[in-house]
Amino acid sequence: DAGVIQSPRHEVTEMGQEVTLRCKPISGHDYLFWYRQTMMRGLELLIYFNNNVPIDDSGMPEDRFSAKMPNASFSTLKIQPSEPRDSAVYFCASRQGWEKLFFGSGTQLSVL
Amino acid sequence: AQSVTQLDSQVPVFEEAPVELRCNYSSSVSVYLFWYVQYPNQGLQLLLKYLSGSTLVESINGFEAEFNKSQTSFHLRKPSVHISDTAEYFCAVSEVSGNTPLVFGKGTRLSVIA
Repeated sequence: DAGVIQSPRHEVTEMGQEVTLRCKPISGHDYLFWYRQTMMRGLELLIYFNNNVPIDDSGMPEDRFSAKMPNASFSTLKIQPSEPRDSAVYFCASRQGWEKLFFGSGTQLSVL
Repeated sequence: AQSVTQLDSQVPVFEEAPVELRCNYSSSVSVYLFWYVQYPNQGLQLLLKYLSGSTLVESINGFEAEFNKSQTSFHLRKPSVHISDTAEYFCAVSEVSGNTPLVFGKGTRLSVIA
């Protein structure tokens, strides 16, 4: 398996634009997590899914953030409209039950 | 709810010297404990984990961590570091009772100096 695949690796956009981050989890994994990493706040859990169903989105900072998982092999995290304070590295991770968490390489988002 | 405190944000150390990265956790229930490593421009990778049994766990690249329930600690140690160990290290905790997400500490940046 190629691991957790995220795209794009880098995204530069202007304030107010819509941003969509994509994630393909490892086949067979039933949990998917979205994390955000910044210098100030470290690694924050935004939302996670179990069998494509959102379980806890209490970490989503504002209504500008939304996430979907239409099927077991794809998830998106959308920010609309984006703001400079959203600049961070966004990680997707997946796991099967209690097995270890596998992380993607992340998307470096810069909002100007 | 659980929380994790990594007491040092940065740890510089000379090559071949020993290192300890400190981690303390807080939880009202039994927990599993983990250390993850993040190399530059990469995602996190599992380094080692404590689930049950022996309180001393080891990784394949010479790191070890010891679960100390009375001190609620899970410090990471290596007797002799290499340049290639330069990375950010994250301690994490999760509940034993259910399939809850990992809670991560803020990370410790280990810089190995030649």
